[in-house]
Amino acid sequence: EVQLVESGGGLVKPGGSLRLSCAASGFTFSNAWLTWVRQAPGKGLEWVGRIKSKTDGGTIDYAAPVNGRFTISRDDSKNTLYLQMKSLKTEDTAVYYCTTDRVGGVGAYFDWWGQGTLVTVSS
Amino acid sequence: DIQMTQSPSSLSASVGDRVTITCRASQSISNYLNWYQQKLGKAPELLIYAASNLQGGVPSRFSGSGSGTDFTLTISSLQPEDFATYYCQQSYTTLRTFGQGTKLEIK
Repeated sequence: EVQLVESGGGLVKPGGSLRLSCAASGFTFSNAWLTWVRQAPGKGLEWVGRIKSKTDGGTIDYAAPVNGRFTISRDDSKNTLYLQMKSLKTEDTAVYYCTTDRVGGVGAYFDWWGQGTLVTVSS
Repeated sequence: DIQMTQSPSSLSASVGDRVTITCRASQSISNYLNWYQQKLGKAPELLIYAASNLQGGVPSRFSGSGSGTDFTLTISSLQPEDFATYYCQQSYTTLRTFGQGTKLEIK
């Protein structure tokens, strides 16, 4: 059974930092592309960024609002995905989900999601 | 960036109704369009990928169609568990944008 379990959320002041983790099981983590998606309270879904598998080059891409402030990384030995967030703003307040980004001949889609972890940026 | 626009933003319907939700892309995305269902307080779940392919375990009352810029999600006969928010999402570009969501409520 595929499981994605996020952790590390909490309350942080504007300008602060936080690191989220996503522990994965039930699939070959090292082969997976992984994505962070966030959802502000009462709002829709927003793509944050994606990291490819090392065999596919390990490329990392970010959405414009977080580029330069957020860093996605992975530890394939621990089956864990990370999201390091710095210079946090109030508008970064959201539930953060990790997802598997399945890529194939029919495009790409997020087939497995974690339960999410809430990040609140407030003074 | 490719903009995804869903209509309607909200919809009231009854159990047994046939419902259609529309998603329009700001440019052609071929069939690189996915649909997700999100229930209150839960993570989204994949319903349909590549415009018309049903994800495993998803009831056959859900179907998707379209290509290019215009897509639809149809629920043939609404069940109580279908009342949720639905999102379309394009995977044509690296920046995977979502529609704003359609909230399906009980009439």
